[in-house]
Amino acid sequence: GQQLNQSPQSMFIQEGEDVSMNCTSSSIFNTWLWYKQDPGEGPVLLIALYKAGELTSNGRLTAQFGITRKDSFLNISASIPSDVGIYFCAGISNFGNEKLTFGTGTRLTIIP
Amino acid sequence: DSGVTQTPKHLITATGQRVTLRCSPRSGDLSVYWYQQSLDQGLQFLIQYYNGEERAKGNILERFSAQQFPDLHSELNLSSLELGDSALYFCASSVVLAGGKQFFGPGTRLTVL
Repeated sequence: GQQLNQSPQSMFIQEGEDVSMNCTSSSIFNTWLWYKQDPGEGPVLLIALYKAGELTSNGRLTAQFGITRKDSFLNISASIPSDVGIYFCAGISNFGNEKLTFGTGTRLTIIP
Repeated sequence: DSGVTQTPKHLITATGQRVTLRCSPRSGDLSVYWYQQSLDQGLQFLIQYYNGEERAKGNILERFSAQQFPDLHSELNLSSLELGDSALYFCASSVVLAGGKQFFGPGTRLTVL
């Protein structure tokens, strides 16, 4: 099935560092979302974006909906231990359609 | 806690068998979604139900079926199981036209031996 391409696949950072990850697609999406998955749990919604060019923050997290509608990025500032997990982008291609297409995931590890 | 419950948490079965996974959505949510998460395919949308009716279908195999009952809980039935069906199965729920804001349950880990 279709997937969104996320990069990097994994990141190893020190506590306090800023993190940046992105998600790209060959086709247009009208909604972009970012979810986080902790081990043994289901994904949890972090940020939702509904308009091309939109920049939205949620605490230390900032995400943007690319102008071309084919990409999105997520930044995490001043990382803390609880940021560890797998981050997934997700897109919805058609308005009124609730089917999520997920990215391949970025695994974030914080080195002590 | 998302408010979405899934049972069982773990399921181990043999090839050729049939299993049923159960999901209870958040109170008030009419939409239920099923996703499969495997190492090689990632998180894949299977099917969506809204208020008892099928609303959208993804890459769901013909051996798999689902339904949503009048009390809004949903079941995913997997039959003629194969080794490749081993995966995490997530249920999510949302209000209608939630714009992708879905609440995921903790998942059922299915192992087919």
